[in-house]
Parts: sequence; structure tokens; C-alpha cells
Amino acid sequence: QQKVQQSPESLTVSEGAMASLNCTFSDGTSNNFRWYRQHSAKGLEVLVSIFSDGEKEEGRFTAHLNRANLHVSLHIREPQPSDSAVYLCAVSGGGSNYKLTFGKGTLLTVTP
Amino acid sequence: GPKVLQIPSHQIIDMGQMVTLNCDPVSNHLYFYWYKQILGQQMEFLVNFYNGKVMEKSKLFKDQFSVERPDGSYFTLKIQPTALEDSAVYFCASSSLQAGDTQYFGPGTRLLVL
Repeated sequence: QQKVQQSPESLTVSEGAMASLNCTFSDGTSNNFRWYRQHSAKGLEVLVSIFSDGEKEEGRFTAHLNRANLHVSLHIREPQPSDSAVYLCAVSGGGSNYKLTFGKGTLLTVTP
Repeated sequence: GPKVLQIPSHQIIDMGQMVTLNCDPVSNHLYFYWYKQILGQQMEFLVNFYNGKVMEKSKLFKDQFSVERPDGSYFTLKIQPTALEDSAVYFCASSSLQAGDTQYFGPGTRLLVL
């Protein structure tokens, strides 16, 4: 059964400093990785999707995937206080393309 | 981005009653999903639905749960009867043509079973 773990549990950065979030997964046949964020009481907003090893950039958000190391990361360039939210790593593929397996999330706080 | 709506936003019911959670998915999407998040825990997959059928369900999708999308209207999750452990936030999602396409999520329905 797929296990997805995120670190750190919480992260505080200053406005403009790079924020880096990590995610490890257990199923090496996974092929579909997404980062979402969730502002309280709102739905999930998809930030970036990545399907092959390497880097994928969407605006200020960059995902790095290394499937051999079972690791995917998210880097946020020039974070703003409005980026404060819970960031969720979601993994699918392998045995099921329908089911997303989520980590518990990283609570990011960006201070002015 | 594409919007998924969920009604109601909050629901409080007594144990043993029936509850129906409603989801208005993105208009041209064909795949529909429910996820459950207990307070403080990670979001977990319940079920997905395509072309009038359940495609895959998890062990959390108990016999008391059912899903349907009658006549292309709301995609619903019905729990009958409810149990205390059903208290959670239920998120609906939808995606377009392919199973691996991006799933877009609603804001969730907060269900409290007393």
C-alpha cells in the first residue's frame, strides 16, 4: 500500500526567501505526482504536476522528481504572505491511476 | 481554475440518520471522486465513479456508503445509516477525460455525527 510522507510538518520563512518542501513515497511504480495547497476552509488548488524525473516549473512553483530516491520536492520562489497555507503532496499511478494518495501536509507560514 | 462546488458546507446529524452530500463537478468532467479527511489526519480516497459505475473503492467505502449521479446532475455520496466514525470532512473532486488527469477539488462538507 502506497505511503506518502511529507516534511517538515511546518515551515516558517520570510517573505522573499525560498521555501522548500519534501515528499517521499513508497511505491516506485508511481508515475503521477502533484502538489496542491489548501487555504483554510477552501478547496485544494493544484500548483504543479510532474510525471517524469527532473524539474517542472509553474510560475513561482518548481517541482523536482527523483523516482529512484522515491522523492519529490516543491520549491516556492519569492513566497508572499498570501502563500501561507497547507501544502499537500499527492501521488498516483502504479496499481491505480484513479486514486490519489496524500501526505499529511506541510503548514507553510510566510512572514512579512 | 475550474470550480467544484459542494453542498452543504456543514451538516450535523444524529447517529443512525441518513445523509446525502452533494457535489457539483466541473461541467465537462467525466470522472468523479470522494475523499475523506478526519481532523488531524491525511486525506484518504473513498471512491471514484465513471460512466455510471464505481471504478475503484477503498476499504473506507463501507456498505453503508453509496454514490450516484442521476441524469448528469449532482454527484452524491449517501451514508445510510451514519455512524460516529463518519464524522469528517468529505471532499469531492472531478477530472476530465483520462484517469490520470488533474483532479479538481471542492471546498469540502464538514459532517458531524452525534
